[in-house]
Amino acid sequence: AQRVTQPEKLLSVFKGAPVELKCNYSYSGSPELFWYVQYSRQRLQLLLRHISRESIKGFTADLNKGETSFHLKKPFAQEEDSAMYYCALSGGYSSASKIIFGSGTRLSIRP
Amino acid sequence: GAGVSQSPSNKVTEKGKDVELRCDPISGHTALYWYRQRLGQGLEFLIYFQGNSAPDKSGLPSDRFSAERTGESVSTLTIQRTQQEDSAVYLCASSLRAGGNTGELFFGEGSRLTVL
Repeated sequence: AQRVTQPEKLLSVFKGAPVELKCNYSYSGSPELFWYVQYSRQRLQLLLRHISRESIKGFTADLNKGETSFHLKKPFAQEEDSAMYYCALSGGYSSASKIIFGSGTRLSIRP
Repeated sequence: GAGVSQSPSNKVTEKGKDVELRCDPISGHTALYWYRQRLGQGLEFLIYFQGNSAPDKSGLPSDRFSAERTGESVSTLTIQRTQQEDSAVYLCASSLRAGGNTGELFFGEGSRLTVL
């Protein structure tokens, strides 16, 4: 069964400090992993996906199949990073499977 | 419009009534999802439509919930005999599935349902 776990409901860090939002998954195959973000008063939107291997707004995430993790990292937090972050999983490249989400982590950046 | 459109944006109903929520996906998007977001909680998968394939209904919480989609256009989520625990924001998202890769989800603003 597909499962996504985000252990932290709230993460509060100071501006300029490093950020790591944790995501662990359970899936018996080769999943696709994503991070979605919801800024205040905006729609939920894609931040990044593991197959792109790119940095978006300074954020990166590496898929670690051994640890079944896809943690989101940023070396220096900015106030505009305050938002709700959701890790999501889909059942793989050739599978027309659903996308499921974790419970989300609210990131709060203190000035 | 260019984005996913949902209606109504807010719905207040009495326990036991039926409600219908509508989603207009982005034109050409073959995949359409419904999620439920209860207050303070994450997105709970409800149902997934992909082209002409049979929908994945594995997330529907009870037989009071049903959803339909006409071709690759509008979808409606129907909740019969609403209960107070159905109160939530119902989010719709659509994506363009290209080849084997999962497409980026584009979300609507949601329909907030309150059951009194």
